[in-house]
Amino acid sequence: GESVGLHLPTLSVQEGDNSIINCAYSNSASDYFIWYKQESGKGPQFIIDIRSNMDKRQGQRVTVLLNKTVKHLSLQIAATQPGDSAVYFCAENIDEAAGNKLTFGGGTRVLVKP
Amino acid sequence: ETGVTQTPRHLVMGMTNKKSLKCEQHLGHNAMYWYKQSAKKPLELMFVYNFKEQTENNSVPSRFSPECPNSSHLFLHLHTLQPEDSALYLCASSQEGREVTGELFFGEGSRLTVL
Repeated sequence: GESVGLHLPTLSVQEGDNSIINCAYSNSASDYFIWYKQESGKGPQFIIDIRSNMDKRQGQRVTVLLNKTVKHLSLQIAATQPGDSAVYFCAENIDEAAGNKLTFGGGTRVLVKP
Repeated sequence: ETGVTQTPRHLVMGMTNKKSLKCEQHLGHNAMYWYKQSAKKPLELMFVYNFKEQTENNSVPSRFSPECPNSSHLFLHLHTLQPEDSALYLCASSQEGREVTGELFFGEGSRLTVL
């Protein structure tokens, strides 16, 4: 499941620090956003989602922020751990009424330094 | 063991071969998907099946032919592929209801190399 060959932006973070991963989307009609994590050799795994009527949502050690004015989405990981090393993708559902058809971004690689 | 199982994990085929990728989900979901993950593009949705009916064909070339015999199984039949079709093919499932959750459960993928 690794994204070998993709020239992914990389975020290098010290273990224990907070990580912030950013994502810009282009379609102002998108109403639902999701973050996925993909570890090497595995398929993407759902982390957290947010609907367009919200600007913040918190999970366990993760927070997603949505700024609809500038079409920007971010994922914050608190106290980053080695197990957080992975590629992170944002995804948007442009037309929720049409079902679960997600458009994924290019991904950001997070490397956690011990 | 993941809830979505894909076989084979690796496949090498020539351009004239016919092969199939298989996906099985053990989660009781009613929707299944094929995604393509290549070195040059982000994850691309290929096909969606909802209650065994194809609801999406995202302009995929006819050399890729999906089959969904029941809500637990999904196949991707491959025929006369091109080297640029080399990629990781990911299967996913979800439970579609009145409200979309966005939570897709992915398999580990089938790494395809076309020579």
